[in-house]
Amino acid sequence: DAGVTQSPTHLIKTRGQHVTLRCSPISGHKSVSWYQQVLGQGPQFIFQYYEKEERGRGNFPDRFSARQFPNYSSELNVNALLLGDSALYLCASSSTGENYNEQFFGPGTRLTVL
Amino acid sequence: DAKTTQPNSMESNEEEPVHLPCNHSTISGTDYIHWYRQLPSQGPEYVIHGLTSNVNNRMASLAIAEDRKSSTLILHRATLRDAAVYYCIPRVRHFGNEKLTFGTGTRLTIIP
Repeated sequence: DAGVTQSPTHLIKTRGQHVTLRCSPISGHKSVSWYQQVLGQGPQFIFQYYEKEERGRGNFPDRFSARQFPNYSSELNVNALLLGDSALYLCASSSTGENYNEQFFGPGTRLTVL
Repeated sequence: DAKTTQPNSMESNEEEPVHLPCNHSTISGTDYIHWYRQLPSQGPEYVIHGLTSNVNNRMASLAIAEDRKSSTLILHRATLRDAAVYYCIPRVRHFGNEKLTFGTGTRLTIIP
């Protein structure tokens, strides 16, 4: 079975632009979470969606938004990009959305903002 | 979220056991202790989790102190593939919150 997939793998944008990152969860998983990992730090939680509803939001500005589709795939959108948004963006999926479940992470999208 | 303290880095020889410590003195009685690891250029992967008693799986063992203020992840026979950053993460048990709060973790280097 395929694991969590993310696209694109790498992306280069300039300040002020908008970006959309995509995530496909493991088949049968209904929960998707997004994380931002800046170089040298651990991942930071951005959003969790379960059954197309937002279940949790981290301490990120409103420039960050996300949604989950009926097939449980998800998009992360970031508007008005800043240099500080350069990071690895990770998507994770789990089966039931309950917090003690194992989460499965994708390989991430490397975003560079120039 | 409970705070955790882990060594920044550790080294171990290949094929020897590795003990990775974690202090979580502010953990509550219902928080599970999860461990994830992140291999170079990959997303994190689940290793093991436990509540009160020691746990074993195919990847590792988790030893939890009786007062639950600390735990130790044990890799019984380290291989080069175990070189990674290891994160200790307390998790509150309730539905709807899947947030994982990562610290800076322990960077494990395996010496051939």
